[in-house]
Order: sequence, then structure tokens, then C-alpha cells
Amino acid sequence: QSALTQPASVSGSPGQSITISCTGTSSDVGGYNYVSWYQQHPGKAPKLMIYDVSNRPSGVSNRFSGSKSGNTASLTISGLQAEDEADYYCSSYTSSTPFGGGTKLTVL
Amino acid sequence: QVQLVESGGGLVKPGGSLRLSCAASGFTFSDYYMSWIRQAPGKGLEWVSYISSSGSTIYYADSVKGRFTISRDNAKNSLYLQMNSLRAEDTAVYYCARGRKVIGYWGQGTLVTVSS
Repeated sequence: QSALTQPASVSGSPGQSITISCTGTSSDVGGYNYVSWYQQHPGKAPKLMIYDVSNRPSGVSNRFSGSKSGNTASLTISGLQAEDEADYYCSSYTSSTPFGGGTKLTVL
Repeated sequence: QVQLVESGGGLVKPGGSLRLSCAASGFTFSDYYMSWIRQAPGKGLEWVSYISSSGSTIYYADSVKGRFTISRDNAKNSLYLQMNSLRAEDTAVYYCARGRKVIGYWGQGTLVTVSS
């Protein structure tokens, strides 16, 4: 069981917004601004989407945004597109288990 | 452009050994922490090990401690993972990755299968 807890799955229709949560503790998510989010399409390597809670790397769409409240971090994807269908992992390197269990996003 | 290319994966019997390599290019390798992260078939990501830029700081997941050894050769821009006493549960795609707190770049992965 991961120390960082994510929902197993979320879904949304094209154009909608969805939010994926990542719940940790005051020792990881809540205590530091070191939360990252990764997107992984089947058979591909993960890709960094958000780092340090809310920063987007160059080239990542501004439809992706990150936030944090207490011990829970969130990834929000607005204007859902078919290509967003993938697995998403949160990460907090100070956690005893640095990756969350992953969330499968289905675009209906 | 940053490239990380893993090699050395394959099929090995339980109790056997394997050495993974990662050739890095497109950045100053000696400036960065490097990591090995694995993903068992159909499962999530697991941080296996990381090493500091100079090699002086090393971390291992409890699941591999005492069996795996991470190393690097900054002159050759290369990262390594020596895996001994392999178990069925070590079967996974192993990714070479740049960074520790944030993984900005990942290799394409190399599959390690431990089976008799």
C-alpha cells in the first residue's frame, strides 16, 4: 500500500475538468512543496507534468495545473481531451513511498 | 536534447545477477542526481535507488537493499545498477531517470524478467 493515496480511477467527458487527489501526511505532502505529477501512456515512459506542487515544465499544456491544501495535493486537467487518457502518478520524494499508486484517467 | 538509453535487461533465473547500464547525453551528467525507478507489469512506479552527482550519497528502497548496487561513471556519462540475488518480484521495466526530487527526464526502460 502506497503512503501517497490516489483514487484508482477518474473519468470525464471531453471539454470537462477533472481533479486527481494525492493524500499524504505532514511529513511529505503537507510538510514540503515537493509534489510532482507524472503522466504515463500505455507502453511509454512517464512524463513530468507538474513539479514543486504547481509549476509546469516548458512544453506542458496550461490545461494542467497543480495545487495543495494541507496533506492533499491535486492535479486538475481542464478542457479534457482524448489524448489526456493515461495513468497519472503523484510523487513526494520525502515520503516513505515516494510514488502514489496511480490514477487511471478515462476520457469518455 | 536529453537522452537516457538503458541496456542490459533480459531473462534471468531466480538467484541470478544482471547489470543494467544507462548512457546519458545532451546534458552535463556530472551535475545531476540520477535514479533507477521500476514498474512491475500492470503495477505502479517504485523508486529503486538514487545516487548523488558525485556518488557520495546513495539511497536504496528496502525491497532491494543489500542486493542491488547503484554506481556511476561521470567520465563515461553512464549510470549502472548491479542486481544480485534476483527474485521473481524484481520482474519489471527498469527506467533510468534524471533527478531525485523531480524526475525531469526518463529513459525508455529495459525489461528485466526473473523466471525459471
